[in-house]
Amino acid sequence: GAGVSQSPSNKVTEKGKDVELRCDPISGHTALYWYRQRLGQGLEFLIYFQGNSAPDKSGLPSDRFSAERTGESVSTLTIQRTQQEDSAVYLCASSLRLAGGSEQFFGPGTRLTVL
Amino acid sequence: GENVEQHPSTLSVQEGDSAVIKCTYSDSASNYFPWYKQELGKGPQLIIDIRSNVGEKKDQRIAVTLNKTAKHFSLHITETQPEDSAVYFCAAFGGSSYKLIFGSGTRLLVRP
Repeated sequence: GAGVSQSPSNKVTEKGKDVELRCDPISGHTALYWYRQRLGQGLEFLIYFQGNSAPDKSGLPSDRFSAERTGESVSTLTIQRTQQEDSAVYLCASSLRLAGGSEQFFGPGTRLTVL
Repeated sequence: GENVEQHPSTLSVQEGDSAVIKCTYSDSASNYFPWYKQELGKGPQLIIDIRSNVGEKKDQRIAVTLNKTAKHFSLHITETQPEDSAVYFCAAFGGSSYKLIFGSGTRLLVRP
């Protein structure tokens, strides 16, 4: 089947606007993760979801960031009142399960540019 | 929490030579260590992984070694080819959380 997909692939927005990023995980994958990757840097964990359990939001950098996931399907990452420092590639990944170390399959990312 | 350090940040080798990338981790309870390759404009892709009950794993030209006592693990690429040029990330998982913590990445350039 298809891999992890993300939309949009690119997003340019003005400072202060809200943006919504979408992730479609691989069907049957119970765990879903969001990461932020600034230019030339590593992946910074933001949040993960596992089934219907409460998500781990410990990586969200501020209360302007939020994410939702309905069941084991699509997830959206919302950034309110965007700032220039939010410019980065936002990567989504999914895996069969959370515990025990299961391969994470990454989407192509959404490149966000805040002017 | 877990912290993963990765070295070197850049590595340039001649085609056919070997490349070695090293990582250290801080949480002794971590039990899963994947390596990802990221090509320009794409998401990371798993190339090899190792679990804490194994000391070494090999897949064709790629091998990973794990030293649990010293809390470090390494990626070895032999007979490098230009298509190996990419950014490589190590990561550690497990222990006190279900998060995959990534190293800062190594940009590998294989010169033809």
